[in-house]
Amino acid sequence: SQQGEEDPQALSIQEGENATMNCSYKTSINNLQWYRQNSGRGLVHLILIRSNEREKHSGRLRVTLDTSKKSSSLLITASRAADTASYFCATALPGGYQKVTFGTGTKLQVIP
Amino acid sequence: DAGITQSPRHKVTETGTPVTLRCHQTENHRYMYWYRQDPGHGLRLIHYSYGVKDTDKGEVSDGYSVSRSKTEDFLLTLESATSSQTSVYFCAISESDRGTLNYGYTFGSGTRLTVV
Repeated sequence: SQQGEEDPQALSIQEGENATMNCSYKTSINNLQWYRQNSGRGLVHLILIRSNEREKHSGRLRVTLDTSKKSSSLLITASRAADTASYFCATALPGGYQKVTFGTGTKLQVIP
Repeated sequence: DAGITQSPRHKVTETGTPVTLRCHQTENHRYMYWYRQDPGHGLRLIHYSYGVKDTDKGEVSDGYSVSRSKTEDFLLTLESATSSQTSVYFCAISESDRGTLNYGYTFGSGTRLTVV
């Protein structure tokens, strides 16, 4: 099973609204990352939050991390049609040559 | 994507034939990864490399092999392609093993492989 699980699987909102996506994971992490994937393209890194951080901002993006609940959320404020994409969380485990494990993604549709 | 290219972009091959996918980077990053992406499974790690000639298996490595003879190139080989290996394959690079603070992983544009 996936280390990271996004919720909801799909989300449809109107342009200008906020979009919130959640990610839950199972084991302790070193960091958690969010990526965006436009249709037919590779993933693009959005933001990385370390396990000792609780919140990070980048432009219209806000990411929170609650290690006690093993969950993270990605908030996109004032959404635009160009935000239409799939969003993935990825968790990196502590220690050693660790790889990043990706969830199955949330498909966001922003309706103009 | 800047700094990382995958070839070919699309390939159709027959069951039982060998197939090699190439990932080339110009960033001089130490870490390189091969993932496959399938509906309902997200991205799953096939193999990764932490240096020239240093590779290790991921969670779905059966039926795949890799080689890295130069820092810039990471090859993924399907020794005898099967229909279950029809997928989109992504290469990724990173300066550190868990992604850097600012950049995480950088992904290529993917190779869509169809095994008929």
